Amino acid sequence: DTAVSQTPKYLVTQMGNDKSIKCEQNLGHDTMYWYKQDSKKFLKIMFSYNNKELIINETVPNRFSPKSPDKAHLNLHINSLELGDSAVYFCASSQQGGVDYTFGSGTRLTVV
Amino acid sequence: AQSVTQLGSHVSVSEGALVLLRCNYSSSVPPYLFWYVQYPNQGLQLLLKYTSAATLVKGINGFEAEFKKSETSFHLTKPSAHMSDAAEYFCAVSEKAAGNKLTFGGGTRVLVKP
Repeated sequence: DTAVSQTPKYLVTQMGNDKSIKCEQNLGHDTMYWYKQDSKKFLKIMFSYNNKELIINETVPNRFSPKSPDKAHLNLHINSLELGDSAVYFCASSQQGGVDYTFGSGTRLTVV
Repeated sequence: AQSVTQLGSHVSVSEGALVLLRCNYSSSVPPYLFWYVQYPNQGLQLLLKYTSAATLVKGINGFEAEFKKSETSFHLTKPSAHMSDAAEYFCAVSEKAAGNKLTFGGGTRVLVKP
């Protein structure tokens, strides 16, 4: 039973399109995150939500809009996709204030 | 602000040799420290973590790391490398004051030679 699941696993799309990536966790965690791993494997946090409330927004372009309909879901919508958005996007979750993070398997986004 | 530096983006070891991956951190408060492993085209798997208990932390797959406050280091070691250890390794730090976000180092790719 997958703890943090992301869909889709792969996404290939053209520049200028709008796309969404979904994340769901069944661990009962309060906090969810989106991380971006670029082509050099560098991992950086984008957003964090705690109980549906945005708590971290790391100067991400406003073309990226996270949405958390409930504490088990954190989706990422990206408008007007650019070549530089090509990356692997990881969702993660943890208990509020906890140090046990669980990562999803990632979504590989390729913008052509 | 917290930050992590991993010395060496690539490390090559012979099978059976010692694996040593270096990590130094910067944090304004006692940090939580982590090592993650990423196999090709896969997600992140936790190897071990330091949360202010014992300074020598044992993890999975025979890995261990030692927290040295005076050196602001959290180096990862494994006495004897196995071919299956070939992967990307990430050191990370988190602080409650920073919203518990994980800040990662740049990663170290480990190659294991037969």
